[in-house]
Amino acid sequence: DTEVTQTPKHLVMGMTNKKSLKCEQHMGHRAMYWYKQKAKKPPELMFVYSYEKLSINESVPSRFSPECPNSSLLNLHLHALQPEDSALYLCASSQDQGLGEQYFGPGTRLTVT
Amino acid sequence: GENVEQHPSTLSVQEGDSAVIKCTYSDSASNYFPWYKQELGKGPQLIIDIRSNVGEKKDQRIAVTLNKTAKHFSLHITETQPEDSAVYFCAATDSWGKLQFGAGTQVVVTP
Repeated sequence: DTEVTQTPKHLVMGMTNKKSLKCEQHMGHRAMYWYKQKAKKPPELMFVYSYEKLSINESVPSRFSPECPNSSLLNLHLHALQPEDSALYLCASSQDQGLGEQYFGPGTRLTVT
Repeated sequence: GENVEQHPSTLSVQEGDSAVIKCTYSDSASNYFPWYKQELGKGPQLIIDIRSNVGEKKDQRIAVTLNKTAKHFSLHITETQPEDSAVYFCAATDSWGKLQFGAGTQVVVTP
């Protein structure tokens, strides 16, 4: 089973709202990732968690706040977003950081109004 | 850092024909090269990958080749079917173990 689940599937939020994206995997993977994908572009790495600790932050604005409550869950807290933050947000996981074979979830389609 | 270039950006093939997508990378330390297929409204799906100690890998109708000397790798899809229509991304790991993606290839298989 190589399933990564994400909720919600779609999210519309205003610029003053606070919302959270959730990701879950039960493959025993120790690395989890957040990516942002704009239309017709490849995924762009935002954050990497390894063994529940933040390993990489790709200079992401502080209005995006990741959290890894346990080895199976990854959250992305959103606050005071801008319309240009509208995108597909993808979660991925791998056995370990840097060991390849990243499996992606279906994504959350975020629209900021 | 790693830079991955992917060609072509769009590829239209007749059903039953073969499709080839090519990628080049810049970091000679890269050692893992996955290919992802992304259908409309879905997340990228890992379809095949290759490591730097292997020159070729095949899985049914898809195959990947790697030329380490020239720093390029290719995806080959034979006997294409309409369900192969999607965007395909190549990627290479950089020295931090992060995936660097190519720009993507929109493949359209016409019946």
